[in-house]
Amino acid sequence: QKEVEQNSGPLSVPEGAIASLNCTYSDRVSQSFFWYRQYSGKSPELIMSIYSNGDKEDGRFTAQLNKASQYVSLLIRDSQPSDSATYLCAVMSSRWRDDKIIFGKGTRLHILP
Amino acid sequence: EAQVTQNPRYLITVTGKKLTVTCSQNMNHEYMSWYRQDPGLGLRQIYYSMNVEVTDKGDVPEGYKVSRKEKRNFPLILESPSPNQTSLYFCASSPGTVSYNEQFFGPGTRLTVL
Repeated sequence: QKEVEQNSGPLSVPEGAIASLNCTYSDRVSQSFFWYRQYSGKSPELIMSIYSNGDKEDGRFTAQLNKASQYVSLLIRDSQPSDSATYLCAVMSSRWRDDKIIFGKGTRLHILP
Repeated sequence: EAQVTQNPRYLITVTGKKLTVTCSQNMNHEYMSWYRQDPGLGLRQIYYSMNVEVTDKGDVPEGYKVSRKEKRNFPLILESPSPNQTSLYFCASSPGTVSYNEQFFGPGTRLTVL
C-alpha cells in the first residue's frame, strides 16, 4: 500500500521565521516529489518539485529530498502571513500503466503576525 | 487564458439521480485526472487519463465512471450517487506524465448527495 504521511498541524510559525514541513513516503521506487499549496476554499497550486537527492531552492522555498530515508521536506524562509495555507506533499511512482500520484493529507501552516 | 474549468461549481442532488461533472482544459494537455477531497482524508485520485481513449483507475474509483473522447474534455459520471460521494471534486490536467510535470487544477465542484 503506497502511503504519504504528513503531520496535519496546525503548525504555527512567527512571521519572519523559517517554517519546516515534513513528509515521509512508503514506496521505495518513488521518483518524483511535489509540494502543492492550497488556500482555504481554493484549488491546489504547485510550489516546488524535486526529483533527486539534495536541496532545491526557489526564492524563499527550499525542497529537500532524502530517498534513503524516504523523506522530503519543504522549508519556507522569512515566513509571511500570505504563506498561511495547507501544504500538500505528493509522490509519484511511475510504473508501466500505473502513472498514479499519491497525496498526503496536508499540513496546515499558520503564520503568526 | 490557460485554464481548467469545471461545471457545475456547486451541486445538491438526491441519491440515485445520475449526474455528470464536466471538466475541460484549453492547454492541449495529454494527462487529465479527477480527485476528491474530504476532511481528514486528503486529496485522493479517482481516475486518470494519459491520453484520448486511455483511462485508468486511481485509488478510489468505485461508484464513478469517466470517458476521454476528446483531448480537452474529461467528464466524471456518477451513475447512482450515494451520500458517501458528498465531497469536493477537483479536475486537473498536465502536459504529460505527472512524473515530471505540474498538474493544473480546476476550481473545484462541491457536491452534496442527500
